[in-house]
Amino acid sequence: AQTVTQSQPEMSVQEAETVTLSCTYDTSENNYYLFWYKQPPSRQMILVIRQEAYKQQNATENRFSVNFQKAAKSFSLKISDSQLGDTAMYFCAFMMDNAGNMLTFGGGTRLMVKP
Amino acid sequence: DGGITQSPKYLFRKEGQNVTLSCEQNLNHDAMYWYRQDPGQGLRLIYYSQIVNDFQKGDIAEGYSVSREKKESFPLTVTSAQKNPTAFYLCASSIVLAGGNEQFFGPGTRLTVL
Repeated sequence: AQTVTQSQPEMSVQEAETVTLSCTYDTSENNYYLFWYKQPPSRQMILVIRQEAYKQQNATENRFSVNFQKAAKSFSLKISDSQLGDTAMYFCAFMMDNAGNMLTFGGGTRLMVKP
Repeated sequence: DGGITQSPKYLFRKEGQNVTLSCEQNLNHDAMYWYRQDPGQGLRLIYYSQIVNDFQKGDIAEGYSVSREKKESFPLTVTSAQKNPTAFYLCASSIVLAGGNEQFFGPGTRLTVL
């Protein structure tokens, strides 16, 4: 079974600064996908970024980027120029290839952006 | 607009009662999922369905039941056998072509057992 670990239960960052959220996972699979989801206070889950394991290039989406280290089984999320609206729970999630698109979630990191 | 709706937003149940949470999607997705979220924790999979009239248990299916009679609908029943049902419940859907497809989530239902 796959496991996803987020070792930082809570983090804070000043507005406009950069913050990195950590995620490690355990799998014996070679082909898989990794996701970061955001859950703001409204509790609506929103996809932030997606990475395909067979792609070496790190995914980026505007101010959000990842550092994907396949050998180390690490998938960290970097948020640049943090904004107050980035305050949320962030969940790292793992999906095996050809396994029904099912996600295994980490426990989450609560991020507070301070003005 | 396309999306996923869940109702009700808040639900209160007395101990010993069954209760059904609604999930509807108009995204034309084949797959639908139910997750449970406890305070300060991640999401855990209860049940999932990849096609009408078929569904499989997830990691924490005990005390729950589902049906998938229509593509658009995937209701979850929390039975009296569920020992600790107070939680936030999220429904999601996705396409099933190939792999790595994003799951889209509904706004959730907060269930409280009195």
